[in-house]
Amino acid sequence: EDQVTQSPEALRLQEGESSSLNCSYTVSGLRGLFWYRQDPGKGPEFLFTLYSAGEEKEKERLKATLTKKESFLHITAPKPEDSATYLCAVRVGATGRRALTFGSGTRLQVQP
Amino acid sequence: DTEVTQTPKHLVMGMTNKKSLKCEQHMGHRAMYWYKQKAKKPPELMFVYSYEKLSINESVPSRFSPECPNSSLLNLHLHALQPEDSALYLCASSQVVPPTRDQYEQYFGPGTRLTVT
Repeated sequence: EDQVTQSPEALRLQEGESSSLNCSYTVSGLRGLFWYRQDPGKGPEFLFTLYSAGEEKEKERLKATLTKKESFLHITAPKPEDSATYLCAVRVGATGRRALTFGSGTRLQVQP
Repeated sequence: DTEVTQTPKHLVMGMTNKKSLKCEQHMGHRAMYWYKQKAKKPPELMFVYSYEKLSINESVPSRFSPECPNSSLLNLHLHALQPEDSALYLCASSQVVPPTRDQYEQYFGPGTRLTVT
C-alpha cells in the first residue's frame, strides 16, 4: 500500500532559525512528489514538483530536495509569514490515475 | 493565471436540503477533482474528471453527486447530507497530459466551508 509520512507533525521556530521538514514515502511507481503550503481555512498553494532523486528546487526561503525514499523541505531564515501547514503529496501508478496521495502535513509556526 | 474559483465560500445546510458547490477554472486544464478535508487532516480525494468524464469515484456516498458540464466547470450536488459531512470541500484542476512532466501539479481553489446542521 502506498504511504506518505510527514515529520514532525508540528514545528515551532524562532524567526531566522532554519530547519527542515521531512516527507518519507513508500510507493510503487512514483510519478512526482509535490509540496504545498496551506493556510488555515484556505486551499493548498502549490510550491514545488520533484520527479527524480537528486532533484532540487528553490523558491525564496524554501528549498525542496528528493531522494529515492524521502523529500525534504528546507526553510532558511524563516519569517512569521512562513507559518502554515506544509503538505507533501505523491502521484503514483499508471497515467490513468491522476490523483494525489497526501501526507498528514507539518504545522509550522514561526515566532517573531 | 493559475486561479481556481469556488462558490460559495461558506454554506450551512440542513440534512434535508439540496445544495450545489461550484468550481471554475480557465487554465485549459482537462482534469478536475473534488477533495474533502476535515480539520487538521490532509485532503482526501472524492472524484476525478478527465475530459469531462468521471474517471475516479473513491466510493463516495450517493448523497454527493458530481457533474462536469463543460471543460471549465465542475459542480458537486449535495442532498440529504449528514453532520459528519461538514468539512472544507476543495476543487482542483490539472493538465491531463502536460507538454512536460513538470506540469502535472494540481492547482486548488480556496474551498467551500460546509456545515451540515
